Amino acid sequence: ILNVEQSPQSLHVQEGDSTNFTCSFPSSNFYALHWYRWETAKSPEALFVMTLNGDEKKKGRISATLNTKEGYSYLYIKGSQPEDSATYLCAFIRAAGNKLTFGGGTRVLVKP
Amino acid sequence: SQTIHQWPATLVQPVGSPLSLECTVEGTSNPNLYWYRQAAGRGLQLLFYSVGIGQISSEVPQNLSASRPQDRQFILSSKKLLLSDSGFYLCAWSRMGGGEQFFGPGTRLTVL
Repeated sequence: ILNVEQSPQSLHVQEGDSTNFTCSFPSSNFYALHWYRWETAKSPEALFVMTLNGDEKKKGRISATLNTKEGYSYLYIKGSQPEDSATYLCAFIRAAGNKLTFGGGTRVLVKP
Repeated sequence: SQTIHQWPATLVQPVGSPLSLECTVEGTSNPNLYWYRQAAGRGLQLLFYSVGIGQISSEVPQNLSASRPQDRQFILSSKKLLLSDSGFYLCAWSRMGGGEQFFGPGTRLTVL
């Protein structure tokens, strides 16, 4: 059983503030790490697919870093807006695998 | 462009009744297909995945089964539903070899 852990489980952020949260995963047999955003009443949508140690990816105000040697990834939201409110899921793919193992998610609520 | 359909959107079924949820993908060939469940208060759990017609991998022992009768059709079934089968069921597809997954709109199943 693969352990993919996300912390914290939930986060309240004031509009305009920046925040970050963590995904930890097994450091052996790494293939890829995905981040998804899941808004209420919608389907999860991919934010980033990260494959290389040291990867940094950015989409608008959201960015992510990857450390495969120690088995963690951070997701950052800069200047949070109410529309950033969602559950953010990370998912790990083991080497040569087709399947994702998801973490429990971090639920972010941005207060106006 | 590719689209993924799931139906029904919501379903209320009595314990012991059968289940059939359908997922179809348009605009792509030979996709990897996945069934996930989100039980109340929990993350996404992979139930089944398929890399081709008739090829099904089961991730957890359970009361459910899956079939892939056509390249872009994935069906989730049960002969007799249990209360614990309640949850939100998501179908997803990815290109061969893994990578970003694209999720359908989901089915909310309530077993009474």
